[in-house]
Amino acid sequence: DIQMTQSPSSLSASVGDRVTITCRASQGITNSLAWYQQKPGKAPKLLLYAASRLETGVPSRFSGSGSGTDYTLTISSLQPEDFATYYCQQYYVTPAAFGQGTKLEIK
Amino acid sequence: EVQLVESGGGLVQPGGSLRLSCAASGFTFRTYAMHWVRQAPGKGLEYVSAISSSGGSTYYANSVKGRFIISRDNSKNTLYLQMGSLRAEDMAVYYCVRGCSAWYDNNWFDPWGQGTLVTVSS
Repeated sequence: DIQMTQSPSSLSASVGDRVTITCRASQGITNSLAWYQQKPGKAPKLLLYAASRLETGVPSRFSGSGSGTDYTLTISSLQPEDFATYYCQQYYVTPAAFGQGTKLEIK
Repeated sequence: EVQLVESGGGLVQPGGSLRLSCAASGFTFRTYAMHWVRQAPGKGLEYVSAISSSGGSTYYANSVKGRFIISRDNSKNTLYLQMGSLRAEDMAVYYCVRGCSAWYDNNWFDPWGQGTLVTVSS
């Protein structure tokens, strides 16, 4: 099975900041990576898939990049509604696997 | 609007059984693989089980293999998870999620249901 490691586990930032979250796979996953946002008490929401493709309706301040084993989610200018927990997920092989999450908190 | 609505969660004793249901609407259910993902209280996301669009192929995580059964009724647009021999470590919110193709491999997940809480306790 592929293991996914996110960093950092938590992050404090301010509105307007640019933030980057990293996800590393235990083996190459050929851009088969999705990012989700989860707010407290809510289900996760798809943000990006195929490493860099923005889901319909997701603001363009969210972007993704990477290749091989290393991928990043970038939020270009944090908005108040962006404070949440973010998860990466590989879907290169079954079983799908999630990172442990990155909690983005207000500084 | 694409919608997934889970039901069937609740309190069950260790060793007990429970059946979760997920009612789908707003899309052609029979053409998509479906999955269950769970989240223990305060923890991350764990992939549990998957089923192909026809129901002919299934997958189970090692943690639930032999105890859980995934199934679907395409005539009723409903996904099921029959859970047996429940353990304390099965306690979680269980999410029903749609895959992105008919086969369950290589799927990202969208949308997610609101989740149903399974509590395992005596």
